[in-house]
Amino acid sequence: GNSVTQMEGPVTLSEEAFLTINCTYTATGYPSLFWYVQYPGEGLQLLLKATKADDKGSNKGFEATYRKETTSFHLEKGSVQVSDSAVYFCALSSFGNEKLTFGTGTRLTIIP
Amino acid sequence: NAGVTQTPKFQVLKTGQSMTLQCAQDMNHEYMSWYRQDPGMGLRLIHYSVGAGITDQGEVPNGYNVSRSTTEDFPLRLLSAAPSQTSVYFCASSLGQGVISTDTQYFGPGTRLTVL
Repeated sequence: GNSVTQMEGPVTLSEEAFLTINCTYTATGYPSLFWYVQYPGEGLQLLLKATKADDKGSNKGFEATYRKETTSFHLEKGSVQVSDSAVYFCALSSFGNEKLTFGTGTRLTIIP
Repeated sequence: NAGVTQTPKFQVLKTGQSMTLQCAQDMNHEYMSWYRQDPGMGLRLIHYSVGAGITDQGEVPNGYNVSRSTTEDFPLRLLSAAPSQTSVYFCASSLGQGVISTDTQYFGPGTRLTVL
């Protein structure tokens, strides 16, 4: 079956620091990979996605590259801001098993 | 577009009570789903629907019922509430056509349910 393992939190960084949140997966078929973000008191929203190997998803300064050889989709940002404080979820869906499978989430706090 | 709406935002129930969480979307999406979010466990799929009249079970369906009589609405019913159902519930929808696995899911704001 499908599963997602992501970096345990919480993660606390200073503003302008470099961010990496690790995500690895196992999947049947050919998965699409997603990062969703949940700001305090809100529902989840898509941050970025990649639907095939070597694709890079990007949005709001965040990037993640679909690495089939290492089954990974690590989230990165070069310079974080206080407004990036949120919970980040890695997720996947695969052809033939379209139900979205989530990781446990990583809480990120950015301090000024 | 209002997107995905959920009501109520908060609810407190006593053990054994029943209630319905409402979910509606105005994007003409075929695929709708319900998740529960618990600390340290991410989101877990309760039930989902690939179109009006079609529903199926997810990872944690026990104690919950759903129906999908229209494309827009996907209510979640708790038959006899238990403290283990204390959670935050999210409804989501996606286009659900073509290669569904590549779809973006759109989430509602959530319902925080406490069962005493």
